[in-house]
Amino acid sequence: GPKVLQIPSHQIIDMGQMVTLNCDPVSNHLYFYWYKQILGQQMEFLVNFYNGKVMEKSKLFKDQFSVERPDGSYFTLKIQPTALEDSAVYFCASSSYRGEQFFGPGTRLTVL
Amino acid sequence: QQNVQQSPESLIVPEGARTSLNCTFSDSASQYFWWYRQHSGKAPKALMSIFSNGEKEEGRFTIHLNKASLHFSLHIRDSQPSDSALYLCAVSMSNYAQGLTFGLGTRVSVFP
Repeated sequence: GPKVLQIPSHQIIDMGQMVTLNCDPVSNHLYFYWYKQILGQQMEFLVNFYNGKVMEKSKLFKDQFSVERPDGSYFTLKIQPTALEDSAVYFCASSSYRGEQFFGPGTRLTVL
Repeated sequence: QQNVQQSPESLIVPEGARTSLNCTFSDSASQYFWWYRQHSGKAPKALMSIFSNGEKEEGRFTIHLNKASLHFSLHIRDSQPSDSALYLCAVSMSNYAQGLTFGLGTRVSVFP
């Protein structure tokens, strides 16, 4: 079935540095999402994105976070600067206007 | 704010048995209800969804929804070892490209 890829699978970074998480969505999908899962907690919605714009964001989507999809390539989540509490697994998803969100396997981010 | 709870936390069942998973939600305006399955280290994948009260069956899987009780469930008939996974319930306010609110998950182990 359709697959969402996430690169890298693991990332270790020092606090205060910038990190970019990459997502390769399902090819004909136009809606994109990021979710965050802290160890032992449920997966939580961060943001969704369509046609170059953020549609909806949660209170977890801090000012240090930004998303973009330049020229139809990867959908990215950038965190600048990173903080210790940003350590989590970040899941990307994509969908058409209706129906199932297809998830990637996640990127584990560790901030030291 | 939506609160989604799953029970039980974990379940061990013999092959061939029926498995029942529960999910409660707090916002009565919720419209769309999902079950996702996540095998270890893999992407969560949608199993089934429902939006109207009642029951829906697909193969060995049946989903029940009772909006008045703020409750939905997943039942797996003739459980197989390949059904061993983390089962996540999710709720959204519509089926139109919105963020999902997830539960913490039920870990199911099916032994031969």
